[in-house]
Amino acid sequence: RKEVEQDPGPFNVPEGATVAFNCTYSNSASQSFFWYRQDCRKEPKLLMSVYSSGNEDGRFTAQLNRASQYISLLIRDSKLSDSATYLCVVPDSGGSNYKLTFGKGTLLTVNP
Amino acid sequence: DTGVSQDPRHKITKRGQNVTFRCDPISEHNRLYWYRQTLGQGPEFLTYFQNEAQLEKSRLLSDRFSAERPKGSFSTLEIQRTEQGDSAMYLCASSLSGDTQYFGPGTRLTVL
Repeated sequence: RKEVEQDPGPFNVPEGATVAFNCTYSNSASQSFFWYRQDCRKEPKLLMSVYSSGNEDGRFTAQLNRASQYISLLIRDSKLSDSATYLCVVPDSGGSNYKLTFGKGTLLTVNP
Repeated sequence: DTGVSQDPRHKITKRGQNVTFRCDPISEHNRLYWYRQTLGQGPEFLTYFQNEAQLEKSRLLSDRFSAERPKGSFSTLEIQRTEQGDSAMYLCASSLSGDTQYFGPGTRLTVL
């Protein structure tokens, strides 16, 4: 299994749709996980952290299944401004978060 | 703006030339990281510093690459004898110990 593997995408959805991205990881020792968002030609920015079974922030929900080594990101009521690449990120070392391993990213385009 | 800054934002060079990039982290962040991102891929870890000490280097960082953080504040990344395969976005990030990594806007390198 690759270190971090994401849905290849791209995803094209209409405004208001619900969309989910999946990610699997190989390092079973990882304790925390992140979703970063990257706009075209911009730097990645932290969207959500996931430390236990899941996390919810407004329209965004991240879920973690440690047994299956699987993380998901759900976006409800998608907006045009949600169009971006979503990067699944797994720290290399259990607690220090110093070395982030990124997936290739999943491109989302929300259409009017 | 008190975020991570990088200079230059773009660099075009000829194969065989040396280039140097600078990163200024968020003030008081003790950790500084360098990543490289190529088209269609997520960022890949290159190296990181805790204060002035370089604590890990990825095997991606060949002998032609060197990074410094002499006073524990800004950092430089130098690439000697550039090759076309070095063309990429070089991203710098900083954090306060193991907390969230904040990325700079990146330096886009094109080697002709």
